[in-house]
Amino acid sequence: AQKITQTQPGMFVQEKEAVTLDCTYDTSDQSYGLFWYKQPSSGEMIFLIYQGSYDEQNATEGRYSLNFQKARKSANLVISASQLGDSAMYFCAMREITGNQFYFGTGTSLTVIP
Amino acid sequence: KAGVTQTPRYLIKTRGQQVTLSCSPISGHRSVSWYQQTPGQGLQFLFEYFSETQRNKGNFPGRFSGRQFSNSRSEMNVSTLELGDSALYLCASSLPGQVGTEAFFGQGTRLTVV
Repeated sequence: AQKITQTQPGMFVQEKEAVTLDCTYDTSDQSYGLFWYKQPSSGEMIFLIYQGSYDEQNATEGRYSLNFQKARKSANLVISASQLGDSAMYFCAMREITGNQFYFGTGTSLTVIP
Repeated sequence: KAGVTQTPRYLIKTRGQQVTLSCSPISGHRSVSWYQQTPGQGLQFLFEYFSETQRNKGNFPGRFSGRQFSNSRSEMNVSTLELGDSALYLCASSLPGQVGTEAFFGQGTRLTVV
């Protein structure tokens, strides 16, 4: 089974609007971390936000927030007030306690429309 | 503080040749991981090195190998290149240990096999 599932290959959002990128995960570990990375066309993966499995509150980092629903195993990224510079690929990733590797989803291509 | 540096940025090789990619992690980071990114397979974990020892390995053939030096710099080698090895190879450095440890990625080496 896929560890990370991102079901939206592409998304469009109007500038200044909010957008939600979906992510579901699969793990039997009790301790794990969920991450979102942004990848612009240059290729570098840029860290956006982290949520730990034991964190009771949803993580927020500036315009980014993570809607964590543990029972549903979902970790959706919400970007508020979208900007043109937000156009990029977005990857959801998970790291489990049993290893140090990241498992990545297939990504969502976000396009912000002026 | 300097980020993760990968060299070269771009590489074109012929089938059957071998290639060596280099990654210099962030100062103080002793864990270096390598990922292969292709349009078809997405981001896949290759291996992780910590203190010059391979700690974890993904599901790749033995043609893919790596090493880490005492200064934490890492190299990965691909021998007998195949067309399917064309990909963006990303290196990530991190502090060791917990699930919440963020990984910092380089800009990648884009390898084209012709």
